[in-house]
Amino acid sequence: GQQLNQSPQSMFIQEGEDVSMNCTSSSIFNTWLWYKQDPGEGPVLLIALYKAGELTSNGRLTAQFGITRKDSFLNISASIPSDVGIYFCAGPNYGGSQGNLIFGKGTKLSVKP
Amino acid sequence: DTGVSQDPRHKITKRGQNVTFRCDPISEHNRLYWYRQTLGQGPEFLTYFQNEAQLEKSRLLSDRFSAERPKGSFSTLEIQRTEQGDSAMYLCASSLVVTGELFFGEGSRLTVL
Repeated sequence: GQQLNQSPQSMFIQEGEDVSMNCTSSSIFNTWLWYKQDPGEGPVLLIALYKAGELTSNGRLTAQFGITRKDSFLNISASIPSDVGIYFCAGPNYGGSQGNLIFGKGTKLSVKP
Repeated sequence: DTGVSQDPRHKITKRGQNVTFRCDPISEHNRLYWYRQTLGQGPEFLTYFQNEAQLEKSRLLSDRFSAERPKGSFSTLEIQRTEQGDSAMYLCASSLVVTGELFFGEGSRLTVL
C-alpha cells in the first residue's frame, strides 16, 4: 500500500542553523502537505503543495513539491527554539475520500539554544 | 475561539469499559474527520462525515468503535469494551473546502489499563 518515508527520523541542531528534511513515496502524489505537531497537541498545517515543482514559503519555512511527484522537501531557515516538534508530511490516500490522508512517521526536531 | 475542540483531553480507563469522546468542529466546516495516533507514528484515518452522513470508514474502525454526528455539528466517537491496544491519541479534524487542508483539534489521549 501507500507509504510515506520521512528522513531523518530525528535531528538535533543548534539555534540559528538551517534544517532540511524530506519525504518520499513509491507512488505518485498530487498533493503534499506538511504539518507540525507539538507534544500533546494536534498537528497544525504549515504548507500545502498542489503542483509538481511548486515551491512555497511560509515565513522561515519553504517546501517543495518534487518534479517526480514522489517526494517533497521542507526547509527551515535560521531555526529558533519554538521550531521544536515533530514534522509530518502527508498526502491523499488513493481510493479514499478527500481528507483521508496518509501521514509519514515524522521527523522530530530538537533545537539547542 | 473558532478552533476544533475535543473533550476530554485525557481519559484513563480499565480494560472492558466503554469510553466516549466528543469533537466540536470549526462552526462553518461541514466535513469532520476522526484519526488515531499511536506513539511514534503519524495520524491514521478512521472515519469521516459530511454533515450528518458518515461517508467512509477505515478498516481500523472495528465493530467496537462507533462514530456519530447527529445534527451535522458536533461528533462523538465511542469505543466499547476497550482493549489495551486502543490506547492512543484520538484526533478530530474538520474542513470546509475539499483541498486536503484539515484543521486538527488538540486530541483526546486514551490510556487503557
